[in-house]
Amino acid sequence: NAGVTQTPKFQVLKTGQSMTLQCAQDMNHEYMSWYRQDPGMGLRLIHYSVGAGITDQGEVPNGYNVSRSTTEDFPLRLLSAAPSQTSVYFCASSYSRGLPQHFGDGTRLSIL
Amino acid sequence: DAKTTQPTSMDCAEGRAANLPCNHSTISGNEYVYWYRQIHSQGPQYIIHGLKNNETNEMASLIITEDRKSSTLILPHATLRDTAVYYCIVRVSEYNTDKLIFGTGTRLQVFP
Repeated sequence: NAGVTQTPKFQVLKTGQSMTLQCAQDMNHEYMSWYRQDPGMGLRLIHYSVGAGITDQGEVPNGYNVSRSTTEDFPLRLLSAAPSQTSVYFCASSYSRGLPQHFGDGTRLSIL
Repeated sequence: DAKTTQPTSMDCAEGRAANLPCNHSTISGNEYVYWYRQIHSQGPQYIIHGLKNNETNEMASLIITEDRKSSTLILPHATLRDTAVYYCIVRVSEYNTDKLIFGTGTRLQVFP
């Protein structure tokens, strides 16, 4: 039982490049979400999903896309990377509403 | 916008109780109070949550005021490994919505 797995752990991109941050959970959790954390700040919600086929925007969705074709996977896509997207990205999941969310170990992304 | 306010930092002697306050004066009736902590740059770790009753688990106790406008997280016997940033969070959990709204947290330093 691996929990929430995020890949890659580290990534450096050039401005304008695109990439996908992967998030997978093996706990059959319905709810998944993506957060970003900038230095000295709390986590900010980017996008979330309450189940397969359903996604919605969080606080800071601009520049990011998500999809949820399966229960297990919730990839985050950066369409055209910008230096302002340099951050640590965390994925989280929970079995249902009102239950604790489990977080992955994060992806540290630098955009030059 | 964050729905909680917390002190920026606190100190606690090892072995003593750490009492971390949180103000959430605009919380709605269906919103839970959650506490997470983040050690170094790891993913946030769930501690405890509650709606209106006090809660206790193996890690901590959560005291919520009767009007639900504030709460206190209690670590009964703090250890050096409890040094972390503690986040008091309001969880909006209703039809097709499940969000954790983070603030900037309290940096707890436990000293010998």
